[in-house]
Amino acid sequence: QKEVEQNSGPLSVPEGAIASLNCTYSDRVSQSFFWYRQYSGKSPELIMSIYSNGDKEDGRFTAQLNKASQYVSLLIRDSQPSDSATYLCAVNKGTGTASKLTFGTGTRLQVTL
Amino acid sequence: GAGVSQSPSNKVTEKGKDVELRCDPISGHTALYWYRQRLGQGLEFLIYFQGNSAPDKSGLPSDRFSAERTGESVSTLTIQRTQQEDSAVYLCASSLDSSTFYGYTFGSGTRLTVV
Repeated sequence: QKEVEQNSGPLSVPEGAIASLNCTYSDRVSQSFFWYRQYSGKSPELIMSIYSNGDKEDGRFTAQLNKASQYVSLLIRDSQPSDSATYLCAVNKGTGTASKLTFGTGTRLQVTL
Repeated sequence: GAGVSQSPSNKVTEKGKDVELRCDPISGHTALYWYRQRLGQGLEFLIYFQGNSAPDKSGLPSDRFSAERTGESVSTLTIQRTQQEDSAVYLCASSLDSSTFYGYTFGSGTRLTVV
């Protein structure tokens, strides 16, 4: 079982719709969770972080965390063509100052006109 | 600096040659990370530094790979006797520190091609 799992996609949604991206992780001690966006040929860019169960909203983005189910998701409202990218889920399971992010392989999102 | 700076942005090298990749983190960021991303694949952890010590080198693929960091500044990743399977984008990232609550800021990467 991979430490961080994502559906590779592509996930295709029409412009203006809600895109829902999902991620599961295997280690229950994981403490913090991140979503990165990566455009083709570019480096990953941090868009959301979440540490507590529930929802966290930032503009058109909402991150959702359910530690009991070991599940984290990203919702993108009013999807735009510029949102077309690969979305990487990352999990930090370290404690104290000895930690690193483990990344999923990403979900490719296509927003169609 | 304002962002994480990596150099060179592109490197083409012949099989068997050594290469050095450089990363200059954001000023004040004490943690520095190296990842590798092969074409169409996910990010593969290589090594991270907290200050100039490397608590976790578990991702270095072989003893041909090494990295060092001077103080809380520049890091170099060295690959000796390069092989074709080393071809990838090497990404450096930095963070305020390596505690669990900070995400990373990535540099633009070095695209390494071994021919």
